[in-house]
Order: sequence, then C-alpha cells, then structure tokens
Amino acid sequence: DVLMTQTPVSLPVSLGGQVSISCRSSQSLVHSDGNTYLHWYLQKPGQSPQLLIYRVSNRFSGVPDRFSGSGSGTDFTLKISRVEPEDLGVYYCLQSTHFPLTFGSGTKLEIK
Amino acid sequence: QVQLKETGPGLVQPTQTLSITCTVSGFSLTSYYMQWVRQTPGKGLEWMGFIRSGGSTEYNSEFKSRLSISRDTSKNQVFLKMNSLKTEDTGVYYCARDLQDWGQGVMVTVSS
Repeated sequence: DVLMTQTPVSLPVSLGGQVSISCRSSQSLVHSDGNTYLHWYLQKPGQSPQLLIYRVSNRFSGVPDRFSGSGSGTDFTLKISRVEPEDLGVYYCLQSTHFPLTFGSGTKLEIK
Repeated sequence: QVQLKETGPGLVQPTQTLSITCTVSGFSLTSYYMQWVRQTPGKGLEWMGFIRSGGSTEYNSEFKSRLSISRDTSKNQVFLKMNSLKTEDTGVYYCARDLQDWGQGVMVTVSS
C-alpha cells in the first residue's frame, strides 16, 4: 500500500497568517494516464471531510483561492493564506492513483 | 441538490454482521462511483471500497474477505455489509459520491 506521510501533525497559526502542509507518498502518484491523483480534504469538528483540492492543484467548487495545492511525483504541499476561523480543523491528503486508496494521518490546524 | 445519508444499527456485537444503507438524492447512481470510507480511532480514515457507475465493485484487500458493496438503483440506495466484526471496527462510516460529496456518516460501535 502507498504510505502517505503528512507533516506537521499540529500546526498553530495566527488568524490572517499563512501556512503550508506537506504530504509525501511512498511511491510516485503519477498514474499511467498521466494524471496525478492527489487530493486534499478538510474535516471540521463534528463534520465529514470536505474536498478542497483535487488532482494536486484544482480547487473544488466553492473553495476560496486562499487555498492552493502544488507538487509532483511524491511530494505535495497545501498552502493556506490569510487563515480564517472557518479554516480550522484537520487536513488530510488522499491518493487515488493506486489501489487501495490511502489517506494521510492528518494535520490539525489550530489557533496560536 | 445532492444529498447522501447513511443509516445503520449504531451498536453491533462482535462476530456479527454490519449493514449500512446510503440513501442518495439529486443524482443517479448509474452516473457516479459510490465510495465507502470509515474513520476509526486506531487507523484514522480508511478507504473501504466502491461500486462503479456500471455496478462492478472494488475493495480494499484489508476488508475484501468480509466486505460487500451493492446497490438498488430503483431505490437510490447503496449498501455496505461487513461480517465478522471486531471491536477495532468501531468508528464512523461514510458513503461518498466520487469522494467529492460525502454523507454525514453513521457511528458504529462494536461491543458486547
């Protein structure tokens, strides 16, 4: 199985600040079709995960442009700028290039 | 409007079978992959499997021997059945459309 390693585990931030979350995979996430199936989710307290970014850098419908994704191969980053209170929660990366699909263990964004 | 709602037993005894129904509205099951993901205290988010728009299935080998996913398109329902439950299967079970839109999840406790 592809191991997804997220860092840091916890990320204190000041409102209005900028943060980056790293997600590294144990093997390349480039699919044979040429696409890279790496996605980012936010799980707010008491809610189900919500899709933020799909295929590395594409914002899902309704996601503000404060969220951006980048990376390639095995190394990916989610950046959040101008952090707002609604951004707090746990962020997960997910790879769907290889079976079984696997999630990172999460990064908790909290107020400093 | 896309909606997904999981319903299940809440409490299941060890060694018994878990049955969860995901009832959807606002779209056709024959047009999307329907996924099952669970979140447990021990392993976090785990992809369990999916049923394709055409009706074929794919399972995480971790569960393959005891997991079954099926659907009734006439009732707009997708079903998860997992047998030989253990206490470690305690968690929240989610259905999701293409891993973009998620249900609220259903909490399942495995205990005698």
